Amino acid sequence: DVKVTQSSRYLVKRTGEKVFLECVQDMDHENMFWYRQDPGLGLRLIYFSYDVKMKEKGDIPEGYSVSREKKERFSLILESASTNQTSMYLCASSLHRDTYNYGYTFGSGTRLTVV
Amino acid sequence: GDSVTQMEGPVTLSEEACLTINCTYTATGYPSLFWYVQYPGEGLQLLLKATKADDKGSNKGFEATYRKETTSFHLEKGSVQVSDSAVYFCALSARTGTASKLTFGTGTRLQVTL
Repeated sequence: DVKVTQSSRYLVKRTGEKVFLECVQDMDHENMFWYRQDPGLGLRLIYFSYDVKMKEKGDIPEGYSVSREKKERFSLILESASTNQTSMYLCASSLHRDTYNYGYTFGSGTRLTVV
Repeated sequence: GDSVTQMEGPVTLSEEACLTINCTYTATGYPSLFWYVQYPGEGLQLLLKATKADDKGSNKGFEATYRKETTSFHLEKGSVQVSDSAVYFCALSARTGTASKLTFGTGTRLQVTL
């Protein structure tokens, strides 16, 4: 069964900490995405990547960065965590040429609380 | 730009009631359409999809028909169960431009009671 795996289901971090959220997919997908999900706001795209070492800003990149050193792994970095970054973070991946037919595969999510 | 509009939730139904969650879209080109479901505490799972006009996607008793003339993709189920309680997201993938990205609606929460 193909999978997108997020390393943690729940995280609690302190304000000002540097936080790493890891996502790994085993489907050889070119595209990977990070979203945050907040009540009433739906899914908001933070960053995405179409290839190794490539990254593009989504709709809300401020306060975040990403790293994609290998095709299967896409990391989201909170440079200095703040309480307004408390949220559910969702990773997704897709085939570059076939998102149209197959959509995304999502991970199970990481619920991050910043205290 | 592309956009997806879903009905506001929450939707509260008794078990065995009929469900309709409305979804309309705006897109350049000829998109594919998707419904995703998110169970409590989980990520999103693909529920069904349709890639061309008049296609009907179906899965787990849910159905949605791609209506190009009304730019709609409404989700329906004839008899809901408590286990269907979840958040449902409508999404589109454009054929051109940002073809590798999905555009999501804001989600509709469904609560089914006994």
